[in-house]
Amino acid sequence: GESVGLHLPTLSVQEGDNSIINCAYSNSASDYFIWYKQESGKGPQFIIDIRSNMDKRQGQRVTVLLNKTVKHLSLQIAATQPGDSAVYFCAEKVTFGIGTKLQVIP
Amino acid sequence: EPEVTQTPSHQVTQMGQEVILRCVPISNHLYFYWYRQILGQKVEFLVSFYNNEISEKSEIFDDQFSVERPDGSNFTLKIRSTKLEDSAMYFCASSYLTTENQPQHFGDGTRLSIL
Repeated sequence: GESVGLHLPTLSVQEGDNSIINCAYSNSASDYFIWYKQESGKGPQFIIDIRSNMDKRQGQRVTVLLNKTVKHLSLQIAATQPGDSAVYFCAEKVTFGIGTKLQVIP
Repeated sequence: EPEVTQTPSHQVTQMGQEVILRCVPISNHLYFYWYRQILGQKVEFLVSFYNNEISEKSEIFDDQFSVERPDGSNFTLKIRSTKLEDSAMYFCASSYLTTENQPQHFGDGTRLSIL
């Protein structure tokens, strides 16, 4: 289950490495998922989305994987760059997850 | 690229006062939303608005809150009799289609501080 509180899960990654950010959802009827990136002082920014009739979708340097069996979603960022440092949220329509803070180490 | 704009960027208000947060959604979008984000926490849905009426609202969106689209371009969130716990970032978002079909475009938020 998701934790709620002031302490975001944090992922620290070396620049150039791949990042994997995970998200679990509870509603098996959910059919549309979105990943947003939120930089400090900014609003959430769309990265990539996926519908439940797909298992995988690729964008530029990002890939989203959907495992409906275990109700799990992941965002993979290839060759992580300092500009990728942000909080990443998965969302199902208007419901957001708690977010993961990605810190890229130069 | 068109964007959602919000004003003011920071609003400081005395507890008990009314506050109006303003948003200009992307011009051809039909669906409008308000969210809030308490410092360090997740983005919480407040309300969605379509065709000049509320289409969905959360438990947070009680009688203290109201939304309005007073003209063809603005979308406002009014908070009556503000409380300390209303302090948060408030984000406006818009989309052309519903959230079942496409992501939303967010503004950069209004930081509301209740004293």
